[in-house]
Amino acid sequence: EIVLTQYPDTLSLSPGERVTLSCRASQSISNSDLAWYQQRPGQAPRLLIYRASSRATGIPDRFSGSGSGTDFTLTISRLEPEDFAVYYCQQYGRSPPIYTFGQGTKVEIK
Amino acid sequence: EEQLVESGGGLVQPGGSLRLSCAASGFSFNTYDMHWVRQPAGKGLEWVATVDTAGDTFYPDSVKGRFTISREDARNSLYLQMNSLRAGDTAVYYCTRDLRVRGDYGLFYYYYAMDVWGQGTTVTVSS
Repeated sequence: EIVLTQYPDTLSLSPGERVTLSCRASQSISNSDLAWYQQRPGQAPRLLIYRASSRATGIPDRFSGSGSGTDFTLTISRLEPEDFAVYYCQQYGRSPPIYTFGQGTKVEIK
Repeated sequence: EEQLVESGGGLVQPGGSLRLSCAASGFSFNTYDMHWVRQPAGKGLEWVATVDTAGDTFYPDSVKGRFTISREDARNSLYLQMNSLRAGDTAVYYCTRDLRVRGDYGLFYYYYAMDVWGQGTTVTVSS
């Protein structure tokens, strides 16, 4: 079973800053099978990125995803107040079918 | 508007059972794979179950044999029957839809992500 580890656990930043979040898989995974979500306090998660780098419908272009193999990155080019939230990566394993989430990275206001 | 609304959560004793429901609207429910995902208070997300459009089901080891996911396409509804509940099953349970992207020539592509989420229903297992 593939384990996803996100780095760091918490980031303290100011609005307007650039942020890079990391997600490392314990084995190489297909780019098609890696997604990122945002969860604001008290809300359900929201899909941001699928297929490692494709933005979901309605997601602003300040969000971008990249990476391959075992190392994936979510970048927010310029933090807006509404971007302070917890971010999760997720992968899909095919045999047997299984969905795995990382433990999350919290982006908090400095 | 594409929407998922969960119901059925509550307080149940260890060893008890509970059935969650999810009402879908605003999209062709019968053409999508569907999932349940849970989140204990203050913790991360855990996949719980999947049912595809053919009715095939998939579970992680943590709930296999205790939970059963099902769908009723005529009612645009998804269900999760939870038996032999434990304290560790206490969480908010989300109903989610599998991502499907329309490509060229009307073909659909599947990327194994979850693009529509309900607001969740809370399950508490405690004596």
